[in-house]
Amino acid sequence: SQQGEEDPQALSIQEGENATMNCSYKTSINNLQWYRQNSGRGLVHLILIRSNEREKHSGRLRVTLDTSKKSSSLLITASRAADTASYFCATALGYGQNFVFGPGTRLSVLP
Amino acid sequence: NAGVTQTPKFQVLKTGQSMTLQCAQDMNHEYMSWYRQDPGMGLRLIHYSVGAGITDQGEVPNGYNVSRSTTEDFPLRLLSAAPSQTSVYFCASSYGTGTDTQYFGPGTRLTVL
Repeated sequence: SQQGEEDPQALSIQEGENATMNCSYKTSINNLQWYRQNSGRGLVHLILIRSNEREKHSGRLRVTLDTSKKSSSLLITASRAADTASYFCATALGYGQNFVFGPGTRLSVLP
Repeated sequence: NAGVTQTPKFQVLKTGQSMTLQCAQDMNHEYMSWYRQDPGMGLRLIHYSVGAGITDQGEVPNGYNVSRSTTEDFPLRLLSAAPSQTSVYFCASSYGTGTDTQYFGPGTRLTVL
């Protein structure tokens, strides 16, 4: 089974609404990162939150991390059609270890 | 700064053929890695390298070889292509070994007939 699991698998919202995606993981982590992938393209890094942080903001993005529940959430506020993409969480287990990606959440923002 | 580049963008192979997927980065990153992405799944690590001359296996290394003779380049070789290797392949690099932001290439879409 995978270290990171995003929820929901797919999400469809109207432009202007907020989108929330969740990620759960199984083992202790060094940090957790969120990436975006537009259709047919490579992944683009969005935000990194370290294990000793609880919340982080970047523009319209807000990420929370609850290490006691081994979960993270990504909130995109005031969504735009351009936010339509797949979103992945990746957990970094530690120095010298590798990232483990979840299967992703596919977000559709309808105009 | 070109970032991470991959060639080719698309490739069709017949079962049993071999080929090399190229990956290069111009950011002087020590850490480079190869992933494959299959429909409905996240990325799975194939091989990675923490510096020139040093490589190691990831989660799904069978059927693939890598080498790292320079900091910039990290080619992935398919020894004898199989239909199960049909996938999209991504190369990534980062400053640190596994905990820093990863920069991804645009991907190579490989089909094995």
